[in-house]
Amino acid sequence: QQQVKQSPQSLIVQKGGISIINCAYENTAFDYFPWYQQFPGKGPALLIAIRPDVSEKKEGRFTISFNKSAKQFSLHIMDSQPGDSATYFCAASFSGGYNKLIFGAGTRLAVHP
Amino acid sequence: DTGVSQDPRHKITKRGQNVTFRCDPISEHNRLYWYRQTLGQGPEFLTYFQNEAQLEKSRLLSDRFSAERPKGSFSTLEIQRTEQGDSAMYLCASTINRVLVNTEAFFGQGTRLTVV
Repeated sequence: QQQVKQSPQSLIVQKGGISIINCAYENTAFDYFPWYQQFPGKGPALLIAIRPDVSEKKEGRFTISFNKSAKQFSLHIMDSQPGDSATYFCAASFSGGYNKLIFGAGTRLAVHP
Repeated sequence: DTGVSQDPRHKITKRGQNVTFRCDPISEHNRLYWYRQTLGQGPEFLTYFQNEAQLEKSRLLSDRFSAERPKGSFSTLEIQRTEQGDSAMYLCASTINRVLVNTEAFFGQGTRLTVV
């Protein structure tokens, strides 16, 4: 019940295209769903996060879509750029659980020029 | 630099040796977490401190692992009698406590441990 399942494992997108990464969870106690971006040799950095009381959140080219009934959420990167090439992790936590993050396995995104 | 700082960045050690890593969180953050990340995987939670109190430990944290956060400031993670399976990136994260509200966790750049 603590797992967060992420897909795809890797993704290749052309410059200007849309990158879509999906995650699913089981634990309905989760109440915070962040996406982290990680470049090689660096720690993860928060990209965007959503709480289950909204179905969509947009920040610049990045959008999270959240489906509470399906227990799924996804990251959309619009107008993907080569600089977006990185590994993306979805995560989940619940405020009653010391806010520890449960991460998905990651998606390695390559944006080709 | 006011981010989370980890030291060393890289550590190569022989099997059976002890190693210690240090994490300096963002100064006003009272919550500190350790995670372990193996190649091609997401970070896995190891342990959590609120101020100086260690409030949760994962089952991943065997008896060979110990973490401290004296005075609620920096934290250390020690691994005794290292094994090759301990080879991983050890990440530290910190955040500020808000009652029943999640706040952004800031991660350090990690310490990459290689056990040979």
